Amino acid sequence: RKEVEQDPGPFNVPEGATVAFNCTYSNSASQSFFWYRQDCRKEPKLLMSVYSSGNEDGRFTAQLNRASQYISLLIRDSKLSDSATYLCVVNGGDSWGKLQFGAGTQVVVTP
Amino acid sequence: DTGVSQNPRHKITKRGQNVTFRCDPISEHNRLYWYRQTLGQGPEFLTYFQNEAQLEKSRLLSDRFSAERPKGSFSTLEIQRTEQGDSAMYLCASSLGSGASNYGYTFGSGTRLTVV
Repeated sequence: RKEVEQDPGPFNVPEGATVAFNCTYSNSASQSFFWYRQDCRKEPKLLMSVYSSGNEDGRFTAQLNRASQYISLLIRDSKLSDSATYLCVVNGGDSWGKLQFGAGTQVVVTP
Repeated sequence: DTGVSQNPRHKITKRGQNVTFRCDPISEHNRLYWYRQTLGQGPEFLTYFQNEAQLEKSRLLSDRFSAERPKGSFSTLEIQRTEQGDSAMYLCASSLGSGASNYGYTFGSGTRLTVV
């Protein structure tokens, strides 16, 4: 079983709509959680950290459910520029903070 | 400082040849990581340095792979006797101290290796 699992999608979203997706993680000792965005053939870039109480960054909302070991990302008012692969990232519980990446969820925003 | 720099951006090599990639992290970052990413997958951890010490290596890192970080600055990743299965994007990332737990990593643009 992979440590971080995501629905690969693609999620096809009309411009202006809302899209949400989850990822699950297996290591209950994980303490840090992130969403990264990756454009085609580019490097991953940090989108946002995920805090226990949930947090927003503009049109993006992240939630953490420790009991069920999943993280979610919601994108409101989708823009064409939101089309990308969203990587769920979890620290592996190691003392030095090794990050484990999911395979990504592809989002395609259509006009 | 413009971030994490990786060279070359692309490398095409014949099977059996040796290749070396370079990563220059953000100057104040003491931790450096190498990851490998293949199509449709997320980045997979290869190895990690704190300053010049290589503290962990993944089982993915076979004997043909070696990484160094002399003087705790730039790092090199060498692959000997390349195989077609080594074709991937090799990503370098850096972070400051335990900041990875709070702020994640900063990645370089990667080196895309194609073994023919």
